[in-house]
Amino acid sequence: DAKTTQPPSMDCAEGRAANLPCNHSTISGNEYVYWYRQIHSQGPQYIIHGLKNNETNEMASLIITEDRKSSTLILPHATLRDTAVYYCIVGEGNYQLIWGAGTKLIIKP
Amino acid sequence: GAVVSQHPSRVICKSGTSVKIECRSLDFQATTMFWYRQFPKQSLMLMATSNEGSKATYEQGVEKDKFLINHASLTLSTLTVTSAHPEDSSFYICSPVDGDTQYFGPGTRLTVL
Repeated sequence: DAKTTQPPSMDCAEGRAANLPCNHSTISGNEYVYWYRQIHSQGPQYIIHGLKNNETNEMASLIITEDRKSSTLILPHATLRDTAVYYCIVGEGNYQLIWGAGTKLIIKP
Repeated sequence: GAVVSQHPSRVICKSGTSVKIECRSLDFQATTMFWYRQFPKQSLMLMATSNEGSKATYEQGVEKDKFLINHASLTLSTLTVTSAHPEDSSFYICSPVDGDTQYFGPGTRLTVL
């Protein structure tokens, strides 16, 4: 079973920041938090990952709480092309073997 | 970034026929390959793991004689769905690994009539 819990769906207005939450209360000390997204009928796309510090790259920011039991993926200026299913995965290794249901993010014009 | 191709991107076949899906890593060598399938409105489910030159390891509930995996080279892996039936209709995604980085193919949509 997936070790994360995400809301099944979210809406966000185009141009606004999209904040996607993820709960991972059973995360262990050496497990990373990974985020991927999957646009309809395409393969998953890596977004970002982190261990305990906040991370930022050209796509998104990842905010991990101090107790590491939850995290938030932030897309700073959402566009229509960001409509996708976003998956939050925790794991020790670099391979994502167990996928939860994800959050379907719909960006509205 | 790394480029992964899958062929065909979509295929429709009759029940009872076999379908081969190819996965190529175009600019890196994949020592390990994961194969996933994804039913409509569901998440990815790992089917099997293969290492180049070795037999694949299948997840529980996945029939190894039905889903034949060949990983004969570091740049090519194939998944053959033998005697396909409508319940095999799904989105199949390969995922080659380069060192400690996992990549994903664009997927193959299989529809069995």
